[in-house]
Amino acid sequence: QLQLQESGPGLVKPSETLSLTCTVSGGSISSSSYYWGWIRQPPGKGLEWIGSIYYSGSTYYNPSLKSRVTISVDTSKNQFSLKLSSVTAADTAVYYCLSSGYSGWFDPWGQGTLVTVSS
Amino acid sequence: QSALTQPASVSGSPGQSITISCTGTSSDIGTYNYVSWYQQHPGKAPKLMIYDVTKRPSGVSNRFSGSKSGNTASLTISGLQAEDEADYYCSSYTISSALVFGGGSKVTVL
Repeated sequence: QLQLQESGPGLVKPSETLSLTCTVSGGSISSSSYYWGWIRQPPGKGLEWIGSIYYSGSTYYNPSLKSRVTISVDTSKNQFSLKLSSVTAADTAVYYCLSSGYSGWFDPWGQGTLVTVSS
Repeated sequence: QSALTQPASVSGSPGQSITISCTGTSSDIGTYNYVSWYQQHPGKAPKLMIYDVTKRPSGVSNRFSGSKSGNTASLTISGLQAEDEADYYCSSYTISSALVFGGGSKVTVL
């Protein structure tokens, strides 16, 4: 059973870069069976797909965030990471890292990590 | 890309069946059989309920079923129970190799 755990600062200042890392256990991030993705949920609001990455390094981003997002994978550490630049208060959300099937389903979901953008 | 369209709320009495719609376009739901549904209880993480339009992950009750017609996907909950009260989100793969979510539907058990 795959388990994923987010790590990173819970507070980021406006205009800075939000950086989160997801550590995968119970399986290899180099598996051809999965994509690896980030989803966020602002407090009291709905889900927003941020982007996904395949172990080969191929990336897929939400067009509305593409100019600010970088997702990368580190197969040696079994981790993948999210960087979101020039953050504002609108980027305050619970951020989830997840494994994804080829058709875009996400499972399992962890508790996520709350990132607050504030000075 | 635009978000998929879901009704803000759907309600039903215990034992009844309800259906939540999820309307997209020919760029997403209309082209791919790659629609997923998630259930989220207050303060909890979402849970995958349906994937690839009709498939149920192991452990999900068979009271939950999915379907699709044209640009609209649907989630039906049969034999509605109090524990089904939650927010439900649909998601679809798109022709841009992106994913898009619906705005969510709050299910209330009367």
